[in-house]
Amino acid sequence: AQKITQTQPGMFVQEKEAVTLDCTYDTSDQSYGLFWYKQPSSGEMIFLIYQGSYDEQNATEGRYSLNFQKARKSANLVISASQLGDSAMYFCARNSWGKLQFGAGTQVVVTP
Amino acid sequence: EAGVTQFPSHSVIEKGQTVTLRCDPISGHDNLYWYRRVMGKEIKFLLHFVKESKQDESGMPNNRFLAERTGGTYSTLKVQPAELEDSGVYFCASSQGAGHYSYEQYFGPGTRLTVT
Repeated sequence: AQKITQTQPGMFVQEKEAVTLDCTYDTSDQSYGLFWYKQPSSGEMIFLIYQGSYDEQNATEGRYSLNFQKARKSANLVISASQLGDSAMYFCARNSWGKLQFGAGTQVVVTP
Repeated sequence: EAGVTQFPSHSVIEKGQTVTLRCDPISGHDNLYWYRRVMGKEIKFLLHFVKESKQDESGMPNNRFLAERTGGTYSTLKVQPAELEDSGVYFCASSQGAGHYSYEQYFGPGTRLTVT
């Protein structure tokens, strides 16, 4: 099975600092999409950022950016200037004809 | 614009009983997905509807699970009879399209199912 791997089960980060969440994936497809979702303690899944496999530039959305290295099959999420509200579970996912395949997630705790 | 809604938010049932979960996608979204996360495990795909048709049901765990999408609008996921291992959070998501490339999936708040 083609896997999505998030090697960091949990991380602590100080407020205002940047944090990088790792994500690697298996695929033999040439065309695919990569997504990051945030799940706060309230439980909803919030879309953060998307990267297409053919996109030449790394995706950015406000304080979120994606460090996409296609040859290494990695799509790390960078959160800049962390805020207390960023404390949540973060999931990396790959799109395979609509079906999202998720990693195990990384729990981020932002401390004052 | 209303988001994806799911009902109920929580359900506690006994083993052997039946439970029906409902999902209302974003209006105009032809694609509807069901996922679930059982305790301590990854979020897993269950199935994908395009309008009222099942496009992919490869993730359905067994024949105790039945999903329907009446008239291509809302969807229901019935578990009958429920087993202890069915406990988890069931998410519904919808999207405008479903290509191999990109279409953001908008998730509902989930239904937390507890089977005792």
